[in-house]
Amino acid sequence: GDSVTQMEGPVTLSEEAFLTINCTYTATGYPSLFWYVQYPGEGLQLLLKATKADDKGSNKGFEATYRKETTSFHLEKGSVQVSDSAVYFCALSDRIDYKLSFGAGTTVTVRA
Amino acid sequence: ETGVTQTPRHLVMGMTNKKSLKCEQHLGHNAMYWYKQSAKKPLELMFVYSLEERVENNSVPSRFSPECPNSSHLFLHLHTLQPEDSALYLCASSHEGQGSPLHFGNGTRLTVT
Repeated sequence: GDSVTQMEGPVTLSEEAFLTINCTYTATGYPSLFWYVQYPGEGLQLLLKATKADDKGSNKGFEATYRKETTSFHLEKGSVQVSDSAVYFCALSDRIDYKLSFGAGTTVTVRA
Repeated sequence: ETGVTQTPRHLVMGMTNKKSLKCEQHLGHNAMYWYKQSAKKPLELMFVYSLEERVENNSVPSRFSPECPNSSHLFLHLHTLQPEDSALYLCASSHEGQGSPLHFGNGTRLTVT
């Protein structure tokens, strides 16, 4: 079945550092890909998405590009802030039943 | 404000209690979901309702009983739970269809004593 694998955390960074969270997927078709973020004490929020190969999703300084050839959707941000401390989830939506499959989540802590 | 409201935010219950979790959305979505989030485990999809019909039930124990009376409301009825059921229970909604993102509530933190 479809699945998502993302890098294990936790990840600890200093403010203004570069952040990359790797995400790879396995799917039989051409899924839509998502990054969700969960801030402390809250539910998940959509951060960005891409629906086809070579699409780039971006939001709040974060970017991810749908790479079909490497089945990847890595999340990047050039200069993180303390407010970016959260858990980040990679997810895919299958084209057949639209079910969303989530990765295990990566905890990111940004220190001032 | 996420558009999806869950109550209560916190719940402590004994193993013999019966309680219900409530979820409400006014986003005009036609699909609603219950997820379980436990520490150090991936998000687990429990139930999916599409147009008020249950379309997914991922081998969830019968001590969890969902109810979707209309497209805006979703309940999770709980009875005779076990301590390992302690977790964050998240409700979400969406337009059904690929590429449609989920909108999550802030969850109910459940502790079973």
